[in-house]
Amino acid sequence: TQLLEQSPQFLSIQEGENLTVYCNSSSVFSSLQWYRQEPGEGPVLLVTVVTGGEVKKLKRLTFQFGDARKDSSLHITAAQPGDTGLYLCAGVPFGNEKLTFGTGTRLTIIP
Amino acid sequence: DAGVTQSPTHLIKTRGQQVTLRCSPISGHKSVSWYQQVLGQGPQFIFQYYEKEERGRGNFPDRFSARQFPNYSSELNVNALLLGDSALYLCASSPQPRTYGGRIAKNIQYFGAGTRLSVL
Repeated sequence: TQLLEQSPQFLSIQEGENLTVYCNSSSVFSSLQWYRQEPGEGPVLLVTVVTGGEVKKLKRLTFQFGDARKDSSLHITAAQPGDTGLYLCAGVPFGNEKLTFGTGTRLTIIP
Repeated sequence: DAGVTQSPTHLIKTRGQQVTLRCSPISGHKSVSWYQQVLGQGPQFIFQYYEKEERGRGNFPDRFSARQFPNYSSELNVNALLLGDSALYLCASSPQPRTYGGRIAKNIQYFGAGTRLSVL
């Protein structure tokens, strides 16, 4: 059973468009992290969110942690080819320090 | 500053063989975790070590074992390899828990580039 479900699984859009990736669970997390992974590389940490309702911005990327701390979203404005990659959310459930990864969203930005 | 380093980068083994993968954490990080990532999926947790003690174990068979050394480097061993063990094996190190706006974020992971294991 996958604790964290990401949607969509695949997304291919034109350069300049906006997009949102979702990360959903029925479990509550003490914190949630977003990573981007490129082929042949390990995941690279983008952001950590810990407070329900928290919004963090990283240039054109906006991350939001759900009020109930069960879900999160990643919004990219004016996507660029350099945004291409596998986006992974990962959460630390309460009472369990294991980091659990989502199913991943493979994003392709077409120039 | 050096990031997490893993060796080897690629490895080809045959069924039934044994393999040892190595990881050096970021300087100052005392926690090391191992993950298996099958093509097209997110990483699956295998082990976490802190100060040479096992802190957690995922749903992997006893063929998988690991250890952490006094210098905080780590090895992952897999015995009796199966075709299904073919994957990218990732090592990650973690700093001490950090505080964000009064809340503690645990288990922030910094990953190495991984070891690509192919079992034939």
